[in-house]
Amino acid sequence: NAGVTQTPKFRVLKTGQSMTLLCAQDMNHEYMYWYRQDPGMGLRLIHYSVGEGTTAKGEVPDGYNVSRLKKQNFLLGLESAAPSQTSVYFCASSYGPYQPQHFGDGTRLSIL
Amino acid sequence: AQKITQTQPGMFVQEKEAVTLDCTYDTSDPSYGLFWYKQPSSGEMIFLIYQGSYDQQNATEGRYSLNFQKARKSANLVISASQLGDSAMYFCAMRELGFGNEKLTFGTGTRLTIIP
Repeated sequence: NAGVTQTPKFRVLKTGQSMTLLCAQDMNHEYMYWYRQDPGMGLRLIHYSVGEGTTAKGEVPDGYNVSRLKKQNFLLGLESAAPSQTSVYFCASSYGPYQPQHFGDGTRLSIL
Repeated sequence: AQKITQTQPGMFVQEKEAVTLDCTYDTSDPSYGLFWYKQPSSGEMIFLIYQGSYDQQNATEGRYSLNFQKARKSANLVISASQLGDSAMYFCAMRELGFGNEKLTFGTGTRLTIIP
C-alpha cells in the first residue's frame, strides 16, 4: 500500500551542488506535482505534469527542473543548489485535475 | 490578493467539543473546487474533504463537514466531537478549473491543538 513514495527523506547539500529528488506513485495517476513548503506558509507549486512525457511550470519554478519519462515517476532536479531552496518538498499525484491529490511524506532539504 | 485566507493561525479546543476552522477564498472562476488537508506533526499531508462549486449540498466525510457558503466565498471545516488525534495543521486549498489552472492554491494553515 505504498501510494506516493519520495526519496530521499532528508538531505543536506552545500551551495552549488546538484541533486535529484525522486517521486514514485503506484496508483496509475496521470497528474503529478512538486510543491515546496516553507515555515508559516502553505504549499507552493514548483512544477507539475499532466501525463507521461509532459511537464509544466508552477508558481515558483526558478532553479528547478523536472522530468516525467515514466508515468509512475516524477523527478525534481536542483542544478546548482542555493540556501533559498532550503525547504520541505512534497510530491503529489492525482487521477485528474479535479480529484484529490495524494501526497508523499516529504523530503527535508537543507542547503548550507 | 490572497486567493485563500485562513485567519486563525492557532486554535485550542477542549476534547470532544466541535471546532470550526475558517477559510475564505477569492476567485472569479465559476468552476472551482475546495479541499481541506490535515498535516500532523509527522509531516504528511492527508486529504480530508472536497467541495465543488456546483455541489448543492455541503460535503461530509465522517466527523468532517464543510460549511460552504458560496455567496460569502467561505468554506469552513467543521470537526465534530474532536479527538486528541485531531491536533495538527489544517490547510484549506482551492483548485480553479480553467485550463492551465492545474495547481492547488493553499492557505497558510491553522494549527489546531486539542486539549484533554
